[in-house]
Amino acid sequence: DTGVSQDPRHKITKRGQNVTFRCDPISEHNRLYWYRQTLGQGPEFLTYFQNEAQLEKSRLLSDRFSAERPKGSFSTLEIQRTEQGDSAMYLCASSEPTGGRLVANEKLFFGSGTQLSVL
Amino acid sequence: GNSVTQMEGPVTLSEEAFLTINCTYTATGYPSLFWYVQYPGEGLQLLLKATKADDKGSNKGFEATYRKETTSFHLEKGSVQVSDSAVYFCALKLPGGYQKVTFGIGTKLQVIP
Repeated sequence: DTGVSQDPRHKITKRGQNVTFRCDPISEHNRLYWYRQTLGQGPEFLTYFQNEAQLEKSRLLSDRFSAERPKGSFSTLEIQRTEQGDSAMYLCASSEPTGGRLVANEKLFFGSGTQLSVL
Repeated sequence: GNSVTQMEGPVTLSEEAFLTINCTYTATGYPSLFWYVQYPGEGLQLLLKATKADDKGSNKGFEATYRKETTSFHLEKGSVQVSDSAVYFCALKLPGGYQKVTFGIGTKLQVIP
């Protein structure tokens, strides 16, 4: 399977604990995105990497959230001091290089997500 | 701000019925428009897209036309199958350097035999 993979699929944690999720994009994709999806809502953009550089961050990404992509391949999303409101599905997506062109219609490839439950 | 409004579900149809899922958008500039589909237990995947006014995106029997005058991108299929049961998300992306894709809330479609 050469799709986007996320680990773990499910995470249950107690309020106040730290959690870390991992995303492995499709190997030739240099663009990586994190989204959050709550029940009954569509995905909400959190952050975007091009290679190892984090180029966009949403206001939704509070200072308890940090994302990294140290070698421009896999990425991690860490949530510190989790709160019940952090319970959601965390989605990772990747897309192909555009050769430096600004492209508005590139296709996102999504992973199956990590379901976080904060008790 | 930029937003996508789509009809709330669930939508329940009999096999071979005609499907319409409404989607309207609000955006500064001229966005690209998308429909993504999420089958049970799977990640979202792109169904179709359109990048400018009057473009028609199509795939797997589904169609949607970019209507600038009504700021709409309604999804249609002439004859649905049980295998089309999924959640459908309308989305937009602004041109330029922005990478954020804005999604609607999703519409769940259930097709019964």
